Amino acid sequence: SQTIHQWPATLVQPVGSPLSLECTVEGTSNPNLYWYRQAAGRGLQLLFYSVGIGQISSEVPQNLSASRPQDRQFILSSKKLLLSDSGFYLCAWSVRGADTGELFFGEGSRLTVL
Amino acid sequence: GQNIDQPTEMTATEGAIVQINCTYQTSGFNGLFWYQQHAGEAPTFLSYNVLDGLEEKGRFSSFLSRSKGYSYLLLKELQMKDSASYLCAALDSNYQLIWGAGTKLIIKP
Repeated sequence: SQTIHQWPATLVQPVGSPLSLECTVEGTSNPNLYWYRQAAGRGLQLLFYSVGIGQISSEVPQNLSASRPQDRQFILSSKKLLLSDSGFYLCAWSVRGADTGELFFGEGSRLTVL
Repeated sequence: GQNIDQPTEMTATEGAIVQINCTYQTSGFNGLFWYQQHAGEAPTFLSYNVLDGLEEKGRFSSFLSRSKGYSYLLLKELQMKDSASYLCAALDSNYQLIWGAGTKLIIKP
């Protein structure tokens, strides 16, 4: 069966510090991978998605970046965090080429920038 | 622009029935999802509708009207564990999900 894991689960970082969130998927090949951010009382905001190794599409210009060094690994990074980067970050995957595009989410990472 | 509207919060009584509505405006349409999200956790898939009509899955049912840009999620025999946020999301012509802000459902004994 397929599983998705992301870490760390909780992170408290000072403004201006770097960030690295990691996500891995097991039990499937060539998944579409996504990073979402969820702010309190707001819908899920798509940050990045990837259809293959080294292929990253950015939906929202910001100080965040994403990389996909391996087929089932997706990393969200920042060189200098802002207060506005606080939120709940979710990694997700979907089956490439599937008609429905159903998403399977990781456990989430709660980031607090102080 | 693309937009999903759903109520911010609803309250219902344990054992009762509740209907959560969602209206959508998207560039093209390839289906509508409902996800459940408990506080502090990731969303989990509930239903997917692409054709008009009602899809029943146990205590939960989802309805779609493509001509009206409208869907609802119906929860029957409410249990305390159903207290959660319910997210409506529409799949546009590029197979990108457009998300609503979610409806927080509070269940009272």
